[in-house]
Amino acid sequence: QVQLVQSGSELKKPGASVKVSCKASGYTFTSYAMNWVRQAPGQGLEWMGWINTNTGNPTYAQGFTGRFVFSLDTSVSTAYLQISSLKAEDTAVYYCARGGGVVVPAAYLCDYWGQGTLVTVSS
Amino acid sequence: SYVLTQPPSVSVAPGKTARITCGGNNIGSKSVHWYQQKPGQAPVLVIYYDSDRPSGIPERFSGSNSGNTATLTISRVEAGDEADYYCQVWDSSSDPHVVFGGGTKLTVL
Repeated sequence: QVQLVQSGSELKKPGASVKVSCKASGYTFTSYAMNWVRQAPGQGLEWMGWINTNTGNPTYAQGFTGRFVFSLDTSVSTAYLQISSLKAEDTAVYYCARGGGVVVPAAYLCDYWGQGTLVTVSS
Repeated sequence: SYVLTQPPSVSVAPGKTARITCGGNNIGSKSVHWYQQKPGQAPVLVIYYDSDRPSGIPERFSGSNSGNTATLTISRVEAGDEADYYCQVWDSSSDPHVVFGGGTKLTVL
């Protein structure tokens, strides 16, 4: 069965960096895109962008350029989200979500989700 | 960017029908996906491409999309359906390309 297992909660100080992992299993990793979605405390879902797991090409949504980096290690079927220069407003749960395919618009269909990783930024 | 509007809350008695709307400009021309999120859990896809149901999702969940409104309908509502529900569309002319509605809290009375 399809599973996405994310790394554990992180507590970071402002200005630090964090790298969240999302390990996939139960399917061919490079045949489905990976989306990243943010949920701030008590708020709704916000799409951060996606990465083509076949080509490694990332696409970032407005507001998630510069400090946010999507990457892959296809040898271990894992996607990564790295956030640098952390700010208090980055405090949120970050989800990886498998796309329905590897090309748009199927890639935007989030058919399976990781359990979420809470990143807390506090001094 | 493209805007999706959902009512913040919907309440329904057990056994009745709940309808959760998602409004957007000419949303009927786009494909809509719906997600259910229970407290402390990750979202789960319940309807995709307007009206298709993933395997494992009860037939009580259905979707429609026309004009400026998409609707998620939950028939014979159960206590376990209490959750937040989000609609999602993609719009290649918008940034971000993928937009979620603000979410609707379904309360089972």
